[in-house]
Amino acid sequence: AQKITQTQPGMFVQEKEAVTLDCTYDTSDQSYGLFWYKQPSSGEMIFLIYQGSYDEQNATEGRYSLNFQKARKSANLVISASQLGDSAMYFCAMRVKYGKLTFGQGTILTVHP
Amino acid sequence: DTAVSQTPKYLVTQMGNDKSIKCEQNLGHDTMYWYKQDSKKFLKIMFSYNNKELIINETVPNRFSPKSPDKAHLNLHINSLELGDSAVYFCASSQDVRGGDEQFFGPGTRLTVL
Repeated sequence: AQKITQTQPGMFVQEKEAVTLDCTYDTSDQSYGLFWYKQPSSGEMIFLIYQGSYDEQNATEGRYSLNFQKARKSANLVISASQLGDSAMYFCAMRVKYGKLTFGQGTILTVHP
Repeated sequence: DTAVSQTPKYLVTQMGNDKSIKCEQNLGHDTMYWYKQDSKKFLKIMFSYNNKELIINETVPNRFSPKSPDKAHLNLHINSLELGDSAVYFCASSQDVRGGDEQFFGPGTRLTVL
């Protein structure tokens, strides 16, 4: 069975600083994908970044980077230069067979001015 | 143009009623999904269809019946609604079941059962 764990229910960061949101995963599959989604208070799910299990380089998308440590089974999201608009719920998710995503519990990020 | 659309956005109904939620994607994707987000914000897969065929059914009560008339549509019908069905239901789509392409989510349907 697949499992995603986000141990930080809430995180606070000052505007313009960097923040790391933790995610660990568990799967026996060799081929899998790791995703991060953002859910603002308006409710929509916004895709941020993807990392494949065979990708050797850490994924980056603008201010988002994924710190992928395969041996430790972690896929932490790093947001650089936080903005007020980054305040939201963040979900880590894993995909193995048949495309379904297994989600973590989510982390609420609050950016202070 | 909306990539994945759902109707209605809000649905308030009484226990015991039957209701449907519609989902359409205009991305040309082969695979569509239904997820449920409960009151604690936990998201869980319910169903997945690939080319109109059911490929995932995650032990969802049989009161929930998905229907995929074509690749672009995946509707969710719920019979005999219960209080515990109150949640936000998200439809999503992806190019196929393999690979690293993202899943595009619809805006969600907030279902409230009274």
